[in-house]
Amino acid sequence: EAGVAQSPRYKIIEKRQSVAFWCNPISGHATLYWYQQILGQGPKLLIQFQNNGVVDDSQLPKDRFSAERLKGVDSTLKIQPAKLEDSAVYLCASSSGTSGWETQYFGPGTRLLVL
Amino acid sequence: DQQVKQNSPSLSVQEGRISILNCDYTNSMFDYFLWYKKYPAEGPTFLISISSIKDKNEDGRFTVFLNKSAKHLSLHIVPSQPGDSAVYFCAASANSGAGSYQLTFGKGTKLSVIP
Repeated sequence: EAGVAQSPRYKIIEKRQSVAFWCNPISGHATLYWYQQILGQGPKLLIQFQNNGVVDDSQLPKDRFSAERLKGVDSTLKIQPAKLEDSAVYLCASSSGTSGWETQYFGPGTRLLVL
Repeated sequence: DQQVKQNSPSLSVQEGRISILNCDYTNSMFDYFLWYKKYPAEGPTFLISISSIKDKNEDGRFTVFLNKSAKHLSLHIVPSQPGDSAVYFCAASANSGAGSYQLTFGKGTKLSVIP
């Protein structure tokens, strides 16, 4: 079974530029998550989708971050404009449900450096 | 306000001995607890979990203990192997109030198993 795929793996941009990350979850997984992991911290949930609907985006900085999950499969996370403090690893995860008891499977992450 | 705390940033253990990783939480609404393991340049992978109705769960060399009154859980690895060297994240799940369960992660403990 293929795991969660993410691209690109690394990205370096200058502040005020925009950037987009892509995630392809495990086939058949209804729930998709985007996390931000700042160096030395644990992952922090940004947004959660079930199929193509947003379940929880309470921690997403909506003035600069946006995310979509078209057709309930792939997802993109965008930052526009980027700030220095957005430097982090962006992790995508998927699970088969939303009960909280299903295992979340993580992708390898995209490491973003904002200069 | 850190709801899940891993107070030891690092731990070194001799191969064959027991590794004990600790985690404390403050939110009494957490009802499901998980440990994830992370190797460099990879996403976290699920290791073991425990629900709040239990006080122990075992899976091979890994055992998780939960003390609800103390709001404390621990992960025991016996015997420790060099391949166990990784960062271990404690995570807790609670209903986010938006109809979904949200994982809150600690900062992680880096385990080094010395051959």
